[in-house]
Amino acid sequence: GAVVSQHPSRVICKSGTSVKIECRSLDFQATTMFWYRQFPKQSLMLMATSNEGSKATYEQGVEKDKFLINHASLTLSTLTVTSAHPEDSSFYICSARPPVVGSERQPQHFGDGTRLSIL
Amino acid sequence: LAKTTQPISMDSYEGQEVNITCSHNNIATNDYITWYQQFPSQGPRFIIQGYKTKVTNEVASLFIPADRKSSTLSLPRVSLSDTAVYYCLVVPTGGGNKLTFGTGTQLKVEL
Repeated sequence: GAVVSQHPSRVICKSGTSVKIECRSLDFQATTMFWYRQFPKQSLMLMATSNEGSKATYEQGVEKDKFLINHASLTLSTLTVTSAHPEDSSFYICSARPPVVGSERQPQHFGDGTRLSIL
Repeated sequence: LAKTTQPISMDSYEGQEVNITCSHNNIATNDYITWYQQFPSQGPRFIIQGYKTKVTNEVASLFIPADRKSSTLSLPRVSLSDTAVYYCLVVPTGGGNKLTFGTGTQLKVEL
């Protein structure tokens, strides 16, 4: 089945560091990928939509200069948390949806997430 | 996007059938109903999706009444490993693929 891979799975770094998270669709091409953030005991919150070859679309309240998104190929989107601070510590998850196969609707598939801890 | 409401938590025992109901009163004609399972420190995993009536796969069944204002995820004979958060989502057929997650239902299965 469709697989979405995230890397790294865990990052621990000092305040002020920039951190890059990769999201790959392993067996399908994705012109659109999505980035979510999840705080402890809370639901997933959509941060932005990553569009291959064009600018990302950010949800209200998400700083585009803080969370840089690059979708340079049909199988890779990256999220860079710039100058990260402790309040950016969270679980970051990406998703993508495979193309429709025949008449069968394909669901979104999620990566296994990246646990970001800023000291 | 249609809002969903589901119980915050449910408890069950191994071997029992668990039914989690989700209400989505404002579901649109072209919306699908999709359920995901999430374990701690993992991304959500797709369980099942449907448009109307009943859908069954190897892990669950999804019951959708005629008015589609609610849906019920049925997990047969749960085990400890089914302890997770279950999310019900209403997803538009066309347009953007953005998903809006509600609070989910924390299912706890005990011996």
